[in-house]
Amino acid sequence: GAGVSQSPSNKVTEKGKDVELRCDPISGHTALYWYRQSLGQGLEFLIYFQGNSAPDKSGLPSDRFSAERTGGSVSTLTIQRTQQEDSAVYLCASSLVGYSPTDTQYFGPGTRLTVL
Amino acid sequence: DAKTTQPNSMESNEEEPVHLPCNHSTISGTDYIHWYRQLPSQGPEYVIHGLTSNVNNRMASLAIAEDRKSSTLILHRATLRDAAVYYCILRYYNQGGKLIFGQGTELSVKP
Repeated sequence: GAGVSQSPSNKVTEKGKDVELRCDPISGHTALYWYRQSLGQGLEFLIYFQGNSAPDKSGLPSDRFSAERTGGSVSTLTIQRTQQEDSAVYLCASSLVGYSPTDTQYFGPGTRLTVL
Repeated sequence: DAKTTQPNSMESNEEEPVHLPCNHSTISGTDYIHWYRQLPSQGPEYVIHGLTSNVNNRMASLAIAEDRKSSTLILHRATLRDAAVYYCILRYYNQGGKLIFGQGTELSVKP
C-alpha cells in the first residue's frame, strides 16, 4: 500500500519567510512524528502526535516551530521567520500504535529545506 | 535514558557476512533493542527488534548478549544495496514513542 508521503520534496526560501511542510501518514496509523536531519548531524526528534492526546512537543527547538495534525491524519509542520540554521531535511514518520516499544515507524522521503 | 554506542564506520565486501556491534551497558530490563537503517538520500527504515532472544527476519538477524549489555546486527550476505547508516536504538514503555537516534554506523560495501 501507499507509504508516508511528504510535500514538497524540496523547498528553498528566504530568511525571515514562513514555510509549511506537509505529511500524509499511512492510513490507519494513530501516531505521527516529525524529525529533522541537519547536514552532517544525526536525526533529531521534533514532535509526536498520538491519537487525540496532546502532542509531545519536547523536541521543538524554538517557538518559531509548530505543528498540527488535522482529523487524526495529515500533519503540517510550520516554521515561522525561518533562519539559516533551519536548513535541514525534515522527516515525517507514522506508526500503528506509537506508545508501544515494539511499534515500527515508517518514514517518508523527507522535505529538504534550504534557507537562503 | 539508556544510551547506545556504535562504531562510526565499517567496511564489508559484497556477499560476505557483516556483524554490526552495539553496546548498551545501561540497558534496563524493559528496553527493547531496535535497529533502523538509512540508505543514502532516503528516510530511515526499520530493520529488526528484540528484547532478550535472538531474532531473525528476511532482512537480518539480531543477536543479543545474555546480559543484554550488547547486541549485534548480522547481515548474512552484504549487497551493495546494504550500504547505509545503521542505527541501534533502545525503546521502552512510557517513552512516548519517539526514536532517539545516535550517530550510527556507516557501512560501506565493496564490490
